[in-house]
Amino acid sequence: EIVMTQSPATLSVSPGERATLSCRASQSISSNLAWYQQKPGQAPRLLIYGASTRATATPARFSGSGSGTEFTLTISSLQSEDFAVYYCQQYNKWPPEWTFGQGTKVEIK
Amino acid sequence: EVQLVESGGGWVQPGESLRVSCAASGFIFSRHWMTWVRQAPGKGLEWVANIKEDGSDKYYVDSVKGRFTISRDNAKNSLYLQMNSLRVEDTAVYYCAGGVQEMWAWGQGTLVSVSS
Repeated sequence: EIVMTQSPATLSVSPGERATLSCRASQSISSNLAWYQQKPGQAPRLLIYGASTRATATPARFSGSGSGTEFTLTISSLQSEDFAVYYCQQYNKWPPEWTFGQGTKVEIK
Repeated sequence: EVQLVESGGGWVQPGESLRVSCAASGFIFSRHWMTWVRQAPGKGLEWVANIKEDGSDKYYVDSVKGRFTISRDNAKNSLYLQMNSLRVEDTAVYYCAGGVQEMWAWGQGTLVSVSS
């Protein structure tokens, strides 16, 4: 099983500041990585796939980077609606054994 | 507008069975792989199973193999998860999602509680 490790667990950021979230895979997953945003009481929403491709309706302030085992989600200027939990997910091997990171909570500083 | 609406959750005792459903609209259901993902209370996300467009291929996380069955009815634009021999650790919100790798659309989830 590929283990996904996210850091930090909680990130305290002021509105307008930049947020950088990390995700590490226990083995190389090429660029087979997605990022999701989940707000309290809501379903997750796809933000990024292929490590760096924004999904439809994902604002440009969200960007993804990385390949292999190290990945980053950057929110360039945090808006009030961005405070949420963010999950990374790998989808590297076939047949599927997809795994998620444990999440990073982005909270208001 | 893409919509996925789950139903069928509830409370059951360990060892019992339950079937959850997902009604899809706003896209051509029969052309897409579909996935179930679950989230235990206060915990992270866990991929459970996915199914090919025509239902011919199905894959499961190890912890549910032999107990859960994913299926679909393309004529009804519906996805199902039959859960047998339920365990306390299966307690979670079960989400229906579109896609096989990245999940591009999600339902609101249905809560399955397993306890004695």
